[in-house]
Amino acid sequence: GENVEQHPSTLSVQEGDSAVIKCTYSDSASNYFPWYKQELGKRPQLIIDIRSNVGEKKDQRIAVTLNKTAKHFSLHITETQPEDSAVYFCAATTPGGQLTFGSGTQLTVLP
Amino acid sequence: DTGVSQDPRHKITKRGQNVTFRCDPISEHNRLYWYRQTLGQGPEFLTYFQNEAQLEKSRLLSDRFSAERPKGSFSTLEIQRTEQGDSAMYLCAIGGYNSPLHFGNGTRLTVT
Repeated sequence: GENVEQHPSTLSVQEGDSAVIKCTYSDSASNYFPWYKQELGKRPQLIIDIRSNVGEKKDQRIAVTLNKTAKHFSLHITETQPEDSAVYFCAATTPGGQLTFGSGTQLTVLP
Repeated sequence: DTGVSQDPRHKITKRGQNVTFRCDPISEHNRLYWYRQTLGQGPEFLTYFQNEAQLEKSRLLSDRFSAERPKGSFSTLEIQRTEQGDSAMYLCAIGGYNSPLHFGNGTRLTVT
């Protein structure tokens, strides 16, 4: 089955700096890659996603890149703000349809 | 509005007891998923339904776990003879094939 690895597990950045979270996946058949943000005690919420026919996608301060050949994808957050502090999860979907999640990155934005 | 209502929000039970959770999608969705999340980990897939048919079950889903979606709308997840290792957040999600999954607020289970 699919295996998703995520790094780093914790990340601290100064407010205004950029944050980058990286994930790798094992199943070359995976074709959909969402990112979720989870605040303490709350549900995971989708923040951006990318499909395998696209190399990059951007939504305001958030961007995701995908390298199918290397089987890795990354989340980029620019001009970080304190409210960006949360746990971020990457995930990959196999053609079977279910999501396999990474182990999460605790992002802390320091004021 | 999450699009998915889960009940109860919290459940505390003693080891060996049976528990049942409910998931109600607010609107019709063909696919309904159950995930489990333990502290510090990402959600883990348990099972999913296409309408009323349970199409896939994870190896994580022991024979103490059973899920149903009798009319293709709401779903229930039952855990029999609970163990302390069952303590987790149980998340229900709706979504389509290779499209975003939207999670409910979850049921937090504590087994004492």
